[in-house]
Amino acid sequence: QQPVQSPQAVILREGEDAVINCSSSKALYSVHWYRQKHGEAPVFLMILLKGGEQKGHEKISASFNEKKQQSSLYLTASQLSYSGTYFCGTEKPGYSTLTFGKGTMLLVSP
Amino acid sequence: SQTIHQWPATLVQPVGSPLSLECTVEGTSNPNLYWYRQAAGRGLQLLFYSVGIGQISSEVPQNLSASRPQDRQFILSSKKLLLSDSGFYLCAWSVPYSGQPQHFGDGTRLSIL
Repeated sequence: QQPVQSPQAVILREGEDAVINCSSSKALYSVHWYRQKHGEAPVFLMILLKGGEQKGHEKISASFNEKKQQSSLYLTASQLSYSGTYFCGTEKPGYSTLTFGKGTMLLVSP
Repeated sequence: SQTIHQWPATLVQPVGSPLSLECTVEGTSNPNLYWYRQAAGRGLQLLFYSVGIGQISSEVPQNLSASRPQDRQFILSSKKLLLSDSGFYLCAWSVPYSGQPQHFGDGTRLSIL
């Protein structure tokens, strides 16, 4: 079943923070986060494997609450280059396929 | 390092014509391979995935098919295209274990006239 992402869209000014959420109704093995610029392929950001795990990539970090079957992506001090659509992909235990959410469009303006 | 090639980048086809999109991966062995379709402004829909030569799993019933004739080659085909087949087609690969990231090719933008 497709994970639910929220919000659907976010508009920020450069330097502001944002949180993107991803929730699933099924037990998860991992959560993957990708960013897609317009007209381009998705680019891998990070993967979270354990309940409660947090990871970071520059000023982008994420958490994964296994019990709640939820993950959140945190973008701090946003930069213009952060603009794009963010997708979470969820992986069920025993499977090597991902089910992607519908995406969250992020626009960072100067 | 590993690279993934997908071609063509853009394709315009008439309704009812056949289709063949090709994807190859370099620098790795026995990868998992995936075909996704993305409609305009929409999310990623998994069409097919493969864990080995000749092993294809279909996720969505449609008039498309996939084949894996070689370890690092994945082909998406159709005998007769429909208008609804338009979209952005993406090939991806991953190391064949759970919890591994998928890496996408540059995609093929397919328009059906």
